Amino acid sequence: AQSVAQPEDQVNVAEGNPLTVKCTYSVSGNPYLFWYVQYPNRGLQFLLKYITGDNLVKGSYGFEAEFNKSQTSFHLKKPSALVSDSALYFCAVRDNSAGGGNKLTFGTGTQLKVEL
Amino acid sequence: EAGVVQSPRYKIIEKKQPVAFWCNPISGHNTLYWYRQNLGQGPELLIRYENEEAVDDSQLPKDRFSAERLKGVDSTLKIQPAELGDSAVYLCASSLVGLLTGNTIYFGEGSWLTVV
Repeated sequence: AQSVAQPEDQVNVAEGNPLTVKCTYSVSGNPYLFWYVQYPNRGLQFLLKYITGDNLVKGSYGFEAEFNKSQTSFHLKKPSALVSDSALYFCAVRDNSAGGGNKLTFGTGTQLKVEL
Repeated sequence: EAGVVQSPRYKIIEKKQPVAFWCNPISGHNTLYWYRQNLGQGPELLIRYENEEAVDDSQLPKDRFSAERLKGVDSTLKIQPAELGDSAVYLCASSLVGLLTGNTIYFGEGSWLTVV
């Protein structure tokens, strides 16, 4: 079975500082990895994904994430946080191997709070 | 291009009453999903359609939940009768399955259900 862990319920960071939201995953085959953001009373918005190729992927709003196969991690990063980045962030994984079932599994979410 | 459209956005009903949610996916997307998101948790898959066929409904509580996808485009999710524990956000999503797309799933704004 595939799973995603987001070890931090909340991350606090000052505006202008770098931010990291952590994610680790478990799949039996090859992972496709995704980050989504959810603002209050809104649906999930796609930020970025890793399919194959470069381990560092860049996405919307200046976010990036680094795929680390040996550590089974896919941490979300941004060099300089903005107050408007405050939201709920979800990491998700899909097992791309044959028999993986094409199922997307989400983590429990990390609340990011960026303060002035 | 329009995103995934859902209605209604908000619904308050008394327990034991029926409720229905409607979804129009992104044009051209062959796969449609219904997810349920409880407060403070990540989305959980209820049912996945590929074109008109429900290919994964293992997590759909079939005693009270039903879904259909007419002509492989729009979809409805129905709950009858609703229970207090059904209060949640019901998220519709769609994707275009393909090697290059990574099967990225795009979500609607959600239908927020409160059962009283």
